[in-house]
Amino acid sequence: SQQGEEDPQALSIQEGENATMNCSYKTSINNLQWYRQNSGRGLVHLILIRSNEREKHSGRLRVTLDTSKKSSSLLITASRAADTASYFCATDGQTGANNLFFGTGTRLTVIP
Amino acid sequence: EPEVTQTPSHQVTQMGQEVILRCVPISNHLYFYWYRQILGQKVEFLVSFYNNEISEKSEIFDDQFSVERPDGSNFTLKIRSTKLEDSAMYFCASSESFWANYGYTFGSGTRLTVV
Repeated sequence: SQQGEEDPQALSIQEGENATMNCSYKTSINNLQWYRQNSGRGLVHLILIRSNEREKHSGRLRVTLDTSKKSSSLLITASRAADTASYFCATDGQTGANNLFFGTGTRLTVIP
Repeated sequence: EPEVTQTPSHQVTQMGQEVILRCVPISNHLYFYWYRQILGQKVEFLVSFYNNEISEKSEIFDDQFSVERPDGSNFTLKIRSTKLEDSAMYFCASSESFWANYGYTFGSGTRLTVV
């Protein structure tokens, strides 16, 4: 399976703290993406990191990618209650197919 | 900001009935997708569509399913003879390019409940 696996499955932190979520995957990739999903809602694209990149920033988000370990991390700094959501990594699998393989997600709860 | 629009947001149907889920992708996007998420499970790829034909499909996307772009804006997923296990959130997405180099834009989903 090419699907990613996130850990932890659930994370609860206080507002203002940093949140780190990890993702591991199994096959070579062209890119890895992180998405956010509020409960019962759609998926919102947060950030994409290409296989030749090691780190990428977007606002309070920092993503790292280690292709040798087939892993990525998403760091949310100075978390806010509004960051409460599920976060998923998704990979393209480099199969020649144009589809994404999603992980199981990390449920982040930020306590005000 | 451009968005992908899905209708209806929630549909309840009886087992064995046909349903059509509708999506309006972003206008300048060329690739369209359907994904589904059974409650508490992973988001799963169903099908991708480009140049008016299916480009990829998963094992889930069997003869029960079909997709269509009936006009220049809509992209539909038809599920024939629905089963209880078809109950899920169905997400439409679109992207500018192959490899989704700029990420996908997902709609807010249609929650399908088969009773």
